[in-house]
Amino acid sequence: DTGVSQDPRHKITKRGQNVTFRCDPISEHNRLYWYRQTLGQGPEFLTYFQNEAQLEKSRLLSDRFSAERPKGSFSTLEIQRTEQGDSAMYLCASSSFAPSGRSYNEQFFGPGTRLTVL
Amino acid sequence: GNSVTQMEGPVTLSEEAFLTINCTYTATGYPSLFWYVQYPGEGLQLLLKATKADDKGSNKGFEATYRKETTSFHLEKGSVQVSDSAVYFCALSQTGANNLFFGTGTRLTVIP
Repeated sequence: DTGVSQDPRHKITKRGQNVTFRCDPISEHNRLYWYRQTLGQGPEFLTYFQNEAQLEKSRLLSDRFSAERPKGSFSTLEIQRTEQGDSAMYLCASSSFAPSGRSYNEQFFGPGTRLTVL
Repeated sequence: GNSVTQMEGPVTLSEEAFLTINCTYTATGYPSLFWYVQYPGEGLQLLLKATKADDKGSNKGFEATYRKETTSFHLEKGSVQVSDSAVYFCALSQTGANNLFFGTGTRLTVIP
């Protein structure tokens, strides 16, 4: 188990450009989450997948953001026409889901992709 | 709605001092509560959790008790070490929900 990995770790782009980030979850995990963390704040939920289905999206996820998990394994998060306000750390997490009882499945976080929009 | 308020930092302590980081929450129903830790250059790691009132989560000498009457989940450690220097996040998750709501984080620095 190598944990959750994210690529790239850092991305610098100019305003108006498109960027894409990749997340590889822990292999046996069927849930994958994206969060955004700005400086001095805690992570904020963006969206999550169960297998390949995107089941929930936050209001933070504007039309310029799109996330996919085509085969239920890795996921990509694309930001189109980046704005300076998009500068943040983008975190990916994964968990296994047990659909029984009142249980919580621990979310394992990756190291994040730090995006800087100039 | 759901929200988490935690003690603002930064917090600087000498080694072996007692640590308390306050966390209070607002939520409907019976959320689960968590403390996550982020060491320099690393991702968030779950430190401890409690899923119902009066539960005590503990790990690596850290403890936190789920207090429904005061809507609190304060993090404590009796004797901190330099290696505990990190940012600590309090978080909650609603029953049946899938996302975590985080506080703003508290940076702890422990000096020898």
